[in-house]
Amino acid sequence: GESVGLHLPTLSVQEGDNSIINCAYSNSASDYFIWYKQESGKGPQFIIDIRSNMDKRQGQRVTVLLNKTVKHLSLQIAATQPGDSAVYFCAETSTGRRALTFGSGTRLQVQP
Amino acid sequence: EPEVTQTPSHQVTQMGQEVILRCVPISNHLYFYWYRQILGQKVEFLVSFYNNEISEKSEIFDDQFSVERPDGSNFTLKIRSTKLEDSAMYFCASSVDTNTEAFFGQGTRLTVV
Repeated sequence: GESVGLHLPTLSVQEGDNSIINCAYSNSASDYFIWYKQESGKGPQFIIDIRSNMDKRQGQRVTVLLNKTVKHLSLQIAATQPGDSAVYFCAETSTGRRALTFGSGTRLQVQP
Repeated sequence: EPEVTQTPSHQVTQMGQEVILRCVPISNHLYFYWYRQILGQKVEFLVSFYNNEISEKSEIFDDQFSVERPDGSNFTLKIRSTKLEDSAMYFCASSVDTNTEAFFGQGTRLTVV
């Protein structure tokens, strides 16, 4: 049947390539950012976070870059694997707030 | 590894009925949240709860919604009179502190017919 809702941008990569997923945010007061991975039928899974006093943070196979000047966040996944296929959301919040504001998401498809 | 657990995984209810969605947050976490995700859309914040009271809520969280921590482990979301547009995945989350990583449960799919 026809799907209803936001049309997710899709990034399709070959297994072993590096992936870069981008996110723009609008709130200049945001000072804490998180990337989540969501597989079909599951809840968001924490990947990596970064605070506004940093511009880069690395984890296992993942790197988050933050450019506060242009309010842009990116997630880099090294040596992408089929298990990385999912929808990726950025989320933001600011000091004093409790709520996370989620972005629209990007679907990552990894071709074997 | 500790995790947030939610029950039921799927709830079907008739329009106008009350539903209670249940969550067990991670045991040493102090901040609890409910989010929802309408099919194909982004995750939306509903409410946060700390120290036995609501600390922040969104415009979505109107008088039809309420939250409760009835004991030391459970955290519930009640919708008093469900509407068709309440159909969504509802996610519970918890965190140790504010502005720290929030861990999400697997969600409850609510279908209002």
